This record gives sequence, C-alpha cells and structure tokens, in this order.
Amino acid sequence: NAGVMQNPRHLVRRRGQEARLRCSPMKGHSHVYWYRQLPEEGLKFMVYLQKENIIDESGMPKERFSAEFPKEGPSILRIQQVVRGDSAAYFCASSATSGGAGDTQYFGPGTRLTVL
Amino acid sequence: AQSVTQPDIHITVSEGASLELRCNYSYGATPYLFWYVQSPGQGLQLLLKYFSGDTLVQGIKGFEAEFKRSQSSFNLRKPSVHWSDAAEYFCAVVANNNDMRFGAGTRLTVKP
Repeated sequence: NAGVMQNPRHLVRRRGQEARLRCSPMKGHSHVYWYRQLPEEGLKFMVYLQKENIIDESGMPKERFSAEFPKEGPSILRIQQVVRGDSAAYFCASSATSGGAGDTQYFGPGTRLTVL
Repeated sequence: AQSVTQPDIHITVSEGASLELRCNYSYGATPYLFWYVQSPGQGLQLLLKYFSGDTLVQGIKGFEAEFKRSQSSFNLRKPSVHWSDAAEYFCAVVANNNDMRFGAGTRLTVKP
C-alpha cells in the first residue's frame, strides 16, 4: 500500500523558469493539501483541494502559484517565473474521503526546490 | 485564527533521559491536535493525535502526549530517549477545512 508519492524529489530551476511539482495521494484518498517549508521553519499551509475543486487556497501567494487536482492523475503545484525566494521544500499530504476536520493527513517525502 | 507555539527551538538530552517537548495552541473550539516527526531530508511521520476522549494519548515509538485544556497545551513526552529519536518535532492543530497549522518545530539532539 503505497503512501503519498511526490516527484521529483529534487528540482533545480533558474530564475524565471517554471516549476511543476506532482503529488499522488494515498489510494482511496481524494483530499490533497500542499505545504511549504522554508529553511529552519515549520510547514505553512498553502492550499487544500479535492478532485477538480480548490477548497481553500488562503495560503497560496496571489501571483505565480497555482494548484490543481484533476479527475485523473496527480495533483500539480505549479510555480511560474520562479524566484530565489521560492526555494523551499514543498510537501503534499492526503486524507481520506470523509474530509472532516481532524482527518489524519499523511505526508509525502517532499520536493526540494532550488532556484539558482 | 488558530495558532501553535513551540517555545523551544532546540533541545538536547542524553540518551536514556526523559523528554518533554512543549506545545501551546490558540483556538476557540475543541482542537484537533497532532505531533509529527521529521528526520533530516524526509517527510513528516505522524506520532500521535488527539481528537476527543482520554486526554493522555499514546503514540508510536514510545511517545505520548497529554491534552490540558486549562493550559492550552499538548506536550509530547517520552520516558527514555533513544539516539534514533534525534529529529525535528512539529506540533499541529486543525481548524476548518482541514487547514492544519504547524508550530515552528523543536529540534531534538540526543547526546550519547
């Protein structure tokens, strides 16, 4: 029973390029969350999605960042025109279909983005 | 809005000694509380969680945590620390829409 999968594990981009981070939730989970962890800091919530819907994007920067969770395939976190400040670890988590507050979130191993 | 405070940035204990990591939360209603552990370069692993009921919660790897409403705390404890427990520990609280808020983390160093 595979856990939450994220790829790539490491991603290097030059300033101005686009970064695409992928997350496949645990089997049977239809709720996905993205978090960002800056060096020496805790995780900060970015966005919460269900299949084909963005439920809460209150933690997403207003520009350059977008997320989707299509009917088929993984969830994608997309960062356009990356800047050095985007360098961080990006974690995805998933939870079971009930989606009630307090459902345990299971985390993937993260994607470490480095912007040169 | 809910928030989580972990007062200790870094703690060092000797192997075999007891451990307590502090966590305080701010939330108007009954909170859902979690402790996660993160080893270097890895994702987060759930240690334990509190939703309701018994305020003393048992987790994996010999950890436990106690929910104290009067102190707004959810401290993590372990009676005897092992060298493999060295890691970063995060306390988290969940509010609406599964918006999980994390503390800044406590880094645990274990001395031989």
